[in-house]
Amino acid sequence: LAKTTQPISMDSYEGQEVNITCSHNNIATNDYITWYQQFPSQGPRFIIQGYKTKVTNEVASLFIPADRKSSTLSLPRVSLSDTAVYYCLVAFNSGNTPLVFGKGTRLSVIA
Amino acid sequence: GAGVSQSPSNKVTEKGKDVELRCDPISGHTALYWYRQSLGQGLEFLIYFQGNSAPDKSGLPSDRFSAERTGGSVSTLTIQRTQQEDSAVYLCASSLASTSYSPYEQYFGPGTRLTVT
Repeated sequence: LAKTTQPISMDSYEGQEVNITCSHNNIATNDYITWYQQFPSQGPRFIIQGYKTKVTNEVASLFIPADRKSSTLSLPRVSLSDTAVYYCLVAFNSGNTPLVFGKGTRLSVIA
Repeated sequence: GAGVSQSPSNKVTEKGKDVELRCDPISGHTALYWYRQSLGQGLEFLIYFQGNSAPDKSGLPSDRFSAERTGGSVSTLTIQRTQQEDSAVYLCASSLASTSYSPYEQYFGPGTRLTVT
């Protein structure tokens, strides 16, 4: 059964770089990897999406190795406002559930 | 422009009653998704609409759950004979034309918090 796996929680100090890894062992050739951020009492918000190698935007980078069985979200120089839950989403081309979110990683940024 | 809106924001119902949750997607978005998020849990996919195609209902947990999308815009998620385990936040999202295998950015609404007593 296709699934994604992320660490349940991570702590970081302000100003540090944070890397969150998602494992997606059954990813298919045409599937993309997307990361979302969710604050309490809000819906998730898109951060970044990628297919292979590296993608960078104004808030994050996404690293995807050649085998694509995992991906790493990198947040440079985090601040207290980055405290949130981060979800990895992979669209699987197999199984009954086409859209699979990971259980999320709760990031706590400490001053 | 306006984002995705959902109503009601909160709903308390008695076990056994039916409830309807509404989602107004962003204008022009042809894809619409429903998710369920239980307390402290991740997002559970429920159903996906893409244009005029038959919806993907593979995530619906039981036949008590159904959804429709009228005119390719507003969607209603209906839960019949609610149970306590149905208590959760129900999130709706919309996106531009998408295949399920190459999803466009999803824009989420604020959710409806359903409490079944």
